[in-house]
Amino acid sequence: GAVVSQHPSWVICKSGTSVKIECRSLDFQATTMFWYRQFPKQSLMLMATSNEGSKATYEQGVEKDKFLINHASLTLSTLTVTSAHPEDSSFYICSASHRALDSGNTIYFGEGSWLTVV
Amino acid sequence: QKEVEQNSGPLSVPEGAIASLNCTYSDRGSQSFFWYRQYSGKSPELIMFIYSNGDKEDGRFTAQLNKASQYVSLLIRDSQPSDSATYLCAVKAGQAGTALIFGKGTTLSVSS
Repeated sequence: GAVVSQHPSWVICKSGTSVKIECRSLDFQATTMFWYRQFPKQSLMLMATSNEGSKATYEQGVEKDKFLINHASLTLSTLTVTSAHPEDSSFYICSASHRALDSGNTIYFGEGSWLTVV
Repeated sequence: QKEVEQNSGPLSVPEGAIASLNCTYSDRGSQSFFWYRQYSGKSPELIMFIYSNGDKEDGRFTAQLNKASQYVSLLIRDSQPSDSATYLCAVKAGQAGTALIFGKGTTLSVSS
């Protein structure tokens, strides 16, 4: 089946620095990619939707200048957490919508990336 | 505000019993309904999806959808300890490229 890969799986960074998380669709072209954040014992909260070649659409309450999303190709989207703070520590998960399957209703999840800001 | 509601649980059932997980949603425009299983610290795994009213069966799992009541459920027959996880209900609008909106999940514990 379709595979979505995230990297890194785990990252620890110092407060004030920036960290980039990559999301790749390995064997299909992803029309749309989604970024979610999950705090412990909470559900997945949608942060933003990104379409290849256009600006991401951010959900209410998500700072677009803090969480930079780039979707430069049909197989790669990146999330950069800028000036990270301890409260940004969370599990970040990307998902990708398969262009050719089921009118785009098929969505595949990456393995997730744990971010710890110290 | 599109909302998906689930009872957080925990739901405890003995091994071999039927586990029943419920979910309601607020957006009548929702067209696709998904059940995911998530183990602690891991990404969600798709169990099954359903589009049409009625039941859909896949092995030990049965999804039930009632759009008029805006209700979707998941039944797990012959529950196993390995089924112990958090079960997330997610809904999606019909248009391609729209995101899944998740509920908070129900924690299931199956005791041996």
